This record gives sequence, structure tokens and C-alpha cells, in this order.
Amino acid sequence: EDQVTQSPEALRLQEGESSSLNCSYTVSGLRGLFWYRQDPGKGPEFLFTLYSAGEEKEKERLKATLTKKESFLHITAPKPEDSATYLCAVQATQQAGTALIFGKGTTLSVSS
Amino acid sequence: KAGVTQTPRYLIKTRGQQVTLSCSPISGHRSVSWYQQTPGQGLQFLFEYFSETQRNKGNFPGRFSGRQFSNSRSEMNVSTLELGDSALYLCASSLGGGPAQPQHFGDGTRLSIL
Repeated sequence: EDQVTQSPEALRLQEGESSSLNCSYTVSGLRGLFWYRQDPGKGPEFLFTLYSAGEEKEKERLKATLTKKESFLHITAPKPEDSATYLCAVQATQQAGTALIFGKGTTLSVSS
Repeated sequence: KAGVTQTPRYLIKTRGQQVTLSCSPISGHRSVSWYQQTPGQGLQFLFEYFSETQRNKGNFPGRFSGRQFSNSRSEMNVSTLELGDSALYLCASSLGGGPAQPQHFGDGTRLSIL
């Protein structure tokens, strides 16, 4: 069964304290891995797509990496405005269309 | 460019009633997907429509249904509402023509069942 597991469930950081979020996945064939950010009361906001092991993508303080079994979202020198829930999702080759399988997310709190 | 628009933002219904939620995708996007988000289960895929045809369906009962119109707008219907249907319902759109294209989400409809 295709599955996505994110850890930790919650993470508290001080401003400037870098860390990483983990997304482990089990999927028959990976078509793509997605990272989203979700703020309270809002829908998920797209951050990155990764397609194959070894791929990396960066955006401001965020960097996403992908291996054959997991993905990491590295947050460098975070600011309070980076506080949000970060969601990881995969699209499997056996799925018709664009259905995403989501992990339950990591809630990040950054204090000043 | 306007994003994905969902209406209404909030709904309160009672058990046994039915409800229809609406989604307007990003202009040019032909694929619309629906997800249910709850604190316990997270985001779960309901179904996807592409060019007015259901392309994929998640593991939800037949009380959940949807449709897509020729302008790509989509509606989702839930009949015989149960307390467990209380959730945030999210719509996402994508170009839909190729694999692993990112989906862009609306801010959802918060459905509460009394």
C-alpha cells in the first residue's frame, strides 16, 4: 500500500536555528514528490516538486532533497513567518490522473 | 492570475441533509481534484475530474459524488450527511495534461454537521 509518513509531528525552533523535516514514502513507483506549506485557515500552498533521487530544489530559506525512500525539507535560519504546517505528498505511477497521497504534516513553530 | 476559488467558505448542516460545494479552477487548468482534510486522517483524496470525466476516485462511499462542467468548474455533492463528514473540503486544480504537475489548492469549504 502506498504510504507517506512525516516526522516529527511538531517542531519548535528559535529564530535562526536551522533544522530538517523528514518525509518517508513507500510507493510502487514514484511519479513525483511534492512539498506544500499550509497556514491556519488556508489551503496548501505549493512549494516544490521532486521527480528523481538526487534531485534538489531551493526557494529562499527552504531546500528540498530526495532519495529513493525519503525526502528532506531543510530550513536554514528560519524566521517567525516560516511557522506553518509543512505537508509532503506523492503521486504514484499506478494511480490514474493526478491523485496525491499526503502525509499528516509537520507543524513548525519559529519563535523570535 | 486568479487562484482556485471555492464557495461557500463555511457551511453548517444537520445529519441527513445533502450539500453541494463549488470550485472554480485556475484559468486554463483542466484537472480538478477534491480532498477531505480532518485532524485525524489528514488530507485524503476524494476524486479527480479531467475534461468533464472522472479520472480517478478515492476510497469514499458513494454518498460523495462530483461533476465537472465544460468550463472546468466543478461541484462536489455529499448526500445523507453524517457527523463524520465534518471536515475541510479542498479543491485543487492543475493543467492535467502530463504527469506530476503541481496541484494548486483553494482555501476550502469548512463543513460542520450538527
